[in-house]
Amino acid sequence: KAGVTQTPRYLIKTRGQQVTLSCSPISGHRSVSWYQQTPGQGLQFLFEYFSETQRNKGNFPGRFSGRQFSNSRSEMNVSTLELGDSALYLCASSPLPGVLYNEQFFGPGTRLTVL
Amino acid sequence: SQQGEEDPQALSIQEGENATMNCSYKTSINNLQWYRQNSGRGLVHLILIRSNEREKHSGRLRVTLDTSKKSSSLLITASRAADTASYFCATDAEGNTPLVFGKGTRLSVIA
Repeated sequence: KAGVTQTPRYLIKTRGQQVTLSCSPISGHRSVSWYQQTPGQGLQFLFEYFSETQRNKGNFPGRFSGRQFSNSRSEMNVSTLELGDSALYLCASSPLPGVLYNEQFFGPGTRLTVL
Repeated sequence: SQQGEEDPQALSIQEGENATMNCSYKTSINNLQWYRQNSGRGLVHLILIRSNEREKHSGRLRVTLDTSKKSSSLLITASRAADTASYFCATDAEGNTPLVFGKGTRLSVIA
């Protein structure tokens, strides 16, 4: 089985722009979670989707949004980028949603740099 | 605030030695997991231990869980240079809550 794929792998944007990141989960996985990783804050949960519904949302401003499609692929969008949004954005998939947490399978991440 | 906190923040050992990392958390949990991350890459799941388990083994890995102390330890025996990575614990609290990761322990294994 192919692993979790994330595109693009690297992205450079300027303040005020918006960005869309994409995640394709492992075939058959219906839960997709997004995390932001920075040196200062570590790994922070952004949101989780299961069967196209957002099940959980982390403590991030409304500029961060996401969605999941019927084929379980997910996108996250960050509008009005700020310098502090520079981070590694990780997507993880699992067969089941959060209440039945088991192993999460992570993608390689998208490195976003905001100038 | 972070649920899990790893200790130490960084650890440097010689190849062949054992490495022990600790994780403390604050609230009751369903499961505790350990993940490894090679520099700037995605995380790889290592092991999951449920709240009703006290010890679990997987190859050279040994994980213990003490729910009374709200702590867990990860032991890597006979370490190799390839074990050089950051190690994170992650917990899911009771109820419909997402995984919460600690800030990790950076392990360096010197050949």
